[in-house]
Amino acid sequence: QKEVEQNSGPLSVPEGAIASLNCTYSDRGSQSFFWYRQYSGKSPELIMFIYSNGDKEDGRFTAQLNKASQYVSLLIRDSQPSDSATYLCAVIGGTGGFKTIFGAGTRLFVKA
Amino acid sequence: DTGVSQNPRHKITKRGQNVTFRCDPISEHNRLYWYRQTLGQGPEFLTYFQNEAQLEKSRLLSDRFSAERPKGSFSTLEIQRTEQGDSAMYLCASSLGVGHTEAFFGQGTRLTVV
Repeated sequence: QKEVEQNSGPLSVPEGAIASLNCTYSDRGSQSFFWYRQYSGKSPELIMFIYSNGDKEDGRFTAQLNKASQYVSLLIRDSQPSDSATYLCAVIGGTGGFKTIFGAGTRLFVKA
Repeated sequence: DTGVSQNPRHKITKRGQNVTFRCDPISEHNRLYWYRQTLGQGPEFLTYFQNEAQLEKSRLLSDRFSAERPKGSFSTLEIQRTEQGDSAMYLCASSLGVGHTEAFFGQGTRLTVV
């Protein structure tokens, strides 16, 4: 079992729709959770972090965390073509210590 | 401060040669990470430093790879006797050394071994 699992996609949504990206993690001791966006040929860029159960909103982005289910998600409202990228889920903590462990990423396409 | 800086941005080398990459983290960040990323995969952890101490090295990393952070500031990653399978994007990231804080990435060094 991979430590951080994501559906590789691609996930295709029409412009203006809500994109929902999901991630599960295996280490129950994980404490911090991050979403990074990565455009093709570029390095990952942090877009959201969440530490506590529940929802956290930042503009068009909402991160959701459920530690009991070991599940974290990212919702992108009013999706734009510029949101087309790979979204990486990452976790820190537990047996991994202070290193950030990444999933393989989900490719998102927003169709104009 | 302009963020994490990596040099060179691109490196083409012949198989069997040694290469060295440099990373300059955000100045107040104590933790520095090296990752490797291949097409279609997420960043794969290689090693990380807390100040000048190398706290963890991936067991997947062969002994051809070595990293240093001699004064707790910039870091170097050296690959000896490069192989074609080493071709990848090498990413450096840094974070504050307190708790579980987010990491910020440099632009990466793309290595091509021919």
